[in-house]
Amino acid sequence: EAGVAQSPRYKIIEKRQSVAFWCNPISGHATLYWYQQILGQGPKLLIQFQNNGVVDDSQLPKDRFSAERLKGVDSTLKIQPAKLEDSAVYLCASSPVTPGETQYFGPGTRLLVL
Amino acid sequence: GEDVEQSLFLSVREGDSSVINCTYTDSSSTYLYWYKQEPGAGLQLLTYIFSNMDMKQDQRLTVLLNKKDKHLSLRIADTQTGDSAIYFCAALRDFQKLVFGTGTRLLVSP
Repeated sequence: EAGVAQSPRYKIIEKRQSVAFWCNPISGHATLYWYQQILGQGPKLLIQFQNNGVVDDSQLPKDRFSAERLKGVDSTLKIQPAKLEDSAVYLCASSPVTPGETQYFGPGTRLLVL
Repeated sequence: GEDVEQSLFLSVREGDSSVINCTYTDSSSTYLYWYKQEPGAGLQLLTYIFSNMDMKQDQRLTVLLNKKDKHLSLRIADTQTGDSAIYFCAALRDFQKLVFGTGTRLLVSP
């Protein structure tokens, strides 16, 4: 079974630029999550989708971050404009039908904002 | 809110047992997880325990849960150099939200 795929693996941008990350979850997984992991910290949930609907986006900085999950499969996370403090690893995870089931993580996208 | 705390660093010798500890604040957490993260990689699920269990064993891994004290531990028997990584404890809140600790860096020396 293929795991969670993410791209790109690395991205370097300057502050105020825009960036987008892509995630393809495990086939059949209805729930998709985006996490932000700042260096030296544990992952923090940004947004959770159930199929193509948003379940929880309470910690998403909505003035600059946006995410969508078209057709309930792939998802993109966008930052516009980026700030220095957005430098982090962005992890995508998916879980089977119901929330609460085990989450499986992708390799992450490492973002550096200069 | 939910807080999950871990010690930052643990150093052991190859062949010894490692014990990584975690405390959490939300007593309604239903599942508790241990994830492993190697450099430049995502999180790999190691094991998990349901909140009505006291112990779970899976090969070299033993998870102990003290629900009264809200304390979780992960014991790795016969620790190998390949076990060197960061280990994250996570608590499931409201049946859907994972709250992670800050991670414990395990260093295994030959």
